[in-house]
Amino acid sequence: GAGVSQSPSNKVTEKGKDVELRCDPISGHTALYWYRQSLGQGLEFLIYFQGNSAPDKSGLPSDRFSAERTGGSVSTLTIQRTQQEDSAVYLCASSLVSGVNTGELFFGEGSRLTVL
Amino acid sequence: AQSVAQPEDQVNVAEGNPLTVKCTYSVSGNPYLFWYVQYPNRGLQFLLKYITGDNLVKGSYGFEAEFNKSQTSFHLKKPSALVSDSALYFCAVRDEGNTDKLIFGTGTRLQVFP
Repeated sequence: GAGVSQSPSNKVTEKGKDVELRCDPISGHTALYWYRQSLGQGLEFLIYFQGNSAPDKSGLPSDRFSAERTGGSVSTLTIQRTQQEDSAVYLCASSLVSGVNTGELFFGEGSRLTVL
Repeated sequence: AQSVAQPEDQVNVAEGNPLTVKCTYSVSGNPYLFWYVQYPNRGLQFLLKYITGDNLVKGSYGFEAEFNKSQTSFHLKKPSALVSDSALYFCAVRDEGNTDKLIFGTGTRLQVFP
C-alpha cells in the first residue's frame, strides 16, 4: 500500500491477556519505529528497527513488551499479560533514513488498545 | 539528552487571526527540529523541519516556523488561521546518533473558532 498500515485499528482485551499489534511500513523504508500515545502524555518512544535489528529498545516499558521485524518489512509489537496502564494508542512509523529526508517519519493511524 | 517542551496544552484563536504554537528545545550539538500535526482520528503528519540554513522554515498548509538559537525556540506560526487547522500539534527533536528517532513534546491542541 501507499502508506503505513496498522492492525487492528481497535483492540479491547481483558487484563492478563496477550495482544499482538501489526505494522506494515511503506515499501522500501528501512527504518521502523513504535511509539505509544497516551491521553495527556504525548508520544512515547518504544523501539526502533533498522532492517530486522533493533539497535534501540530503550523505550520498552517492561519485559512484557517485545517487538520483532521480519524480512525488513512487517513488524509485530507484542504485549504479554496486559495491564490497564497499557491502554493507549500504539503508533508505528517508517522512514528512509536518508540525509535530505531526515526526520520525516510516516505514521500509521495507530492501534487503539483498551485493557479492561 | 535531547528534549523539547511545549508549554501550552491548548491554544485558542479566531479564524483569520495569526496563530503561534510554542516550542523550546534542549540539545547537545546542532538541533534537528520538526513539527508534526495530528488531525482527529488520524496518524501524525510531517509539517516542516529545521536542519540548517534559514531560520524561517516554510512547510505544508501555509505553516512556518522560526528557529531562534539564542532563545532555544522553534515556534510554529501561521499568518491567518483556518477552522480546518484545528488539530493536535507536536514539536520534535531528532535524538543523538545516526537515526531518525524523534523525541516528541507533549503536544498542543489548537482550536480555531469561526
